[in-house]
Amino acid sequence: TQLLEQSPQFLSIQEGENLTVYCNSSSVFSSLQWYRQEPGEGPVLLVTVVTGGEVKKLKRLTFQFGDARKDSSLHITAAQPGDTGLYLCASNFGNEKLTFGTGTRLTIIP
Amino acid sequence: DTGVSQNPRHKITKRGQNVTFRCDPISEHNRLYWYRQTLGQGPEFLTYFQNEAQLEKSRLLSDRFSAERPKGSFSTLEIQRTEQGDSAMYLCASNLVDYGYTFGSGTRLTVV
Repeated sequence: TQLLEQSPQFLSIQEGENLTVYCNSSSVFSSLQWYRQEPGEGPVLLVTVVTGGEVKKLKRLTFQFGDARKDSSLHITAAQPGDTGLYLCASNFGNEKLTFGTGTRLTIIP
Repeated sequence: DTGVSQNPRHKITKRGQNVTFRCDPISEHNRLYWYRQTLGQGPEFLTYFQNEAQLEKSRLLSDRFSAERPKGSFSTLEIQRTEQGDSAMYLCASNLVDYGYTFGSGTRLTVV
């Protein structure tokens, strides 16, 4: 069974601060996706990373994929209240279904 | 076609009753997935369809659960003889290729 571990589980910071959340696995990711989920809604895809060492930017969000493709990080610069949500990493490990991590619940305090 | 649609958004039912949820995927997507999410956890895979064929079922999908996707379009998930442990958010997703699932807003089930 492939497991994705996310850390921290909870994070609460002030508006304007920077933060990084992590996703790790003992298995190699074929590809990795990051999602954000707001209360009462389904997850929304933010990015897919495929190549080891890849870095992708989405406005204030920077996603990195580890060289060995077993870890990934999400860095948010100058966090805003709209960034509040549950951040989930997920991988299909080469098959059709996605396996999700337990998520990082982020709260940005105005 | 604006996305994946799930109905109802909320369902409260008494223990022992049967419930059915519906998912309408993005029309050109041939794959449809059902996930279950409990509070504080990430979504857990239940089953998926490619067109009308159900290709994989999780061990989480007990005999009380059944899913169908007639004609390869919408899908239904039925839970028979509901139990309190079935209370969760049931999420549907669809895609056309291996990357980039589109999720619906989910059906929140509460069994009382």
